[in-house]
Amino acid sequence: GNSVTQMEGPVTLSEEAFLTINCTYTATGYPSLFWYVQYPGEGLQLLLKATKADDKGSNKGFEATYRKETTSFHLEKGSVQVSDSAVYFCALMMDSSYKLIFGGGTRLLVRP
Amino acid sequence: DAGVTQSPTHLIKTRGQQVTLRCSPISGHKSVSWYQQVLGQGPQFIFQYYEKEERGRGNFPDRFSARQFPNYSSELNVNALLLGDSALYLCASSFQGDTEAFFGQGTRLTVV
Repeated sequence: GNSVTQMEGPVTLSEEAFLTINCTYTATGYPSLFWYVQYPGEGLQLLLKATKADDKGSNKGFEATYRKETTSFHLEKGSVQVSDSAVYFCALMMDSSYKLIFGGGTRLLVRP
Repeated sequence: DAGVTQSPTHLIKTRGQQVTLRCSPISGHKSVSWYQQVLGQGPQFIFQYYEKEERGRGNFPDRFSARQFPNYSSELNVNALLLGDSALYLCASSFQGDTEAFFGQGTRLTVV
């Protein structure tokens, strides 16, 4: 079946460090890919998305590129801030589907 | 505009009891989805409703049921609660169900 695998956390970085959170997927077909962020005590917020191969999603300094050849959608940010501390979820949705399939989440802790 | 609103925010129930969770979608959105997020894991799809019809169901027992009302709000019911039902229950709304999903802050259910 379709699934998403994320690198396990927590990821601990100093402020202004470079961030990479790995995400790979397994899917029968060509899904749309998403990154969601969850701040403590809150629901999920869509961070960025990509709907086809080689698309790059970007928002708030975060980027991710849809790589069909490696079935990956790694999240990157050039300089993290303390306020980026949260749990990040990679997810996919198949065409004509109606449900998001999430990875297990990666906790990011940014220290001043 | 108001986002997705869920009620209650927290509740505690005893094993064997029944619970009803409520969700109001963003104005104009016709689809509501429910997800269960167990602590430390990614959200798992439970149901999606579109135009008051069930469009999909995840791998959850029949103790879980839901419905959508003419104003597109939704209720999730869980009968015969088990300790394992303790989780954050997230509601997401979207215009048609296969477009961008907006999540509420969730209902934290604790079963004791």
